[in-house]
Amino acid sequence: EAQVTQNPRYLITVTGKKLTVTCSQNMNHEYMSWYRQDPGLGLRQIYYSMNVEVTDKGDVPEGYKVSRKEKRNFPLILESPSPNQTSLYFCASSLWASVTYNEQFFGPGTRLTVL
Amino acid sequence: ELKVEQNPLFLSMQEGKNYTIYCNYSTTSDRLYWYRQDPGKSLESLFVLLSNGAVKQEGRLMASLDTKARLSTLHITAAVHDLSATYFCAVDNDKIIFGKGTRLHILP
Repeated sequence: EAQVTQNPRYLITVTGKKLTVTCSQNMNHEYMSWYRQDPGLGLRQIYYSMNVEVTDKGDVPEGYKVSRKEKRNFPLILESPSPNQTSLYFCASSLWASVTYNEQFFGPGTRLTVL
Repeated sequence: ELKVEQNPLFLSMQEGKNYTIYCNYSTTSDRLYWYRQDPGKSLESLFVLLSNGAVKQEGRLMASLDTKARLSTLHITAAVHDLSATYFCAVDNDKIIFGKGTRLHILP
């Protein structure tokens, strides 16, 4: 089944404790992206990657890191989480370079709480 | 800076009625997407609009794009309860910018 998977789905952590949220897709997509969703703010793009070893900042990259060492994986790293990073996080992927548009397929989401 | 505004943000309507959700954006783009999100769920792609005048229809939903007016609409015809969800438009200008979403509640 074609899908985007994220782990963990739920995470409660404390301020300053490094964490990684994994994202993997099995559709051979070139484009991958991370978003956070907050009430009243919609989805905001954190980072995106157009291909392996190519990443770029979205609208709200502060406090986050990403890497794209393999095509299928795009982990989101919070080196020192803070309470304002409490949010619902979505990973998404799309074909992108192979087509002229960027219809994205979203993972199930990771609900992160930073105490 | 690209800004995307959706109107209305909340909409409660009766079954059987028609309504339109508007998506305005601030800079030139000819790629616009509509997504649906059910409560507690992820986002699902509804429509991809790629050129001025593009119109796509799926069931009771119809989306259109006017790139000159920088406006997309999502029209709901004869609404049914199953269409209750939050609808997002997203504009593609290399970066993907989402609107804040329209929470649609259809009363049976």
